[in-house]
Amino acid sequence: QKEVEQNSGPLSVPEGAIASLNCTYSDRGSQSFFWYRQYSGKSPELIMSIYSNGDKEDGRFTAQLNKASQYVSLLIRDSQPSDSATYLCAVSYNFNKFYFGSGTKLNVKP
Amino acid sequence: DAGITQSPRHKVTETGTPVTLRCHQTENHRYMYWYRQDPGHGLRLIHYSYGVKDTDKGEVSDGYSVSRSKTEDFLLTLESATSSQTSVYFCATIAGGSYEQYFGPGTRLTVT
Repeated sequence: QKEVEQNSGPLSVPEGAIASLNCTYSDRGSQSFFWYRQYSGKSPELIMSIYSNGDKEDGRFTAQLNKASQYVSLLIRDSQPSDSATYLCAVSYNFNKFYFGSGTKLNVKP
Repeated sequence: DAGITQSPRHKVTETGTPVTLRCHQTENHRYMYWYRQDPGHGLRLIHYSYGVKDTDKGEVSDGYSVSRSKTEDFLLTLESATSSQTSVYFCATIAGGSYEQYFGPGTRLTVT
């Protein structure tokens, strides 16, 4: 059983639209949640971290966490072609346990 | 970036040969991690370190060993490389006070 599940996509949205990326996780003991962006051939870069239920906003990005449903999402407003990448969801239990989803590929069409 | 470099960036080696990958960080971070990334599997933790000479296994540690003799360097060794170890390897560190990981540029390893 995978710890972290993501739809592999691709998710295609037009430029200017809202992209919604979703992630579920299996262990209720998870404490920390992260979204990374990874361009092809590059390393993952941290976009957002979220630790408590609710929404966290940073610029065009909003992370949403619902621990009861074991669900975390990332909304990208006003999507740009430069947002086209693979988005990785990660959860952590402590410093020695990190689990990543296999990623959702996002295509933003001009 | 978090001051992380990896070497080599690309390597092709033959089955059965030993390989060592190096991760170097300049931020004096305590925690360091080695991951592999394969299509369909995402990032999987191989080994991690929580200080000099303090290391432990991750979920896919078979066939790999690590060493950390200095805070800034974390080495990953494949004692006898196999084709199943063909992958992209990423090193990561945690910035103090959080669980936010920052990744190095990666090493693409091909075992023929």
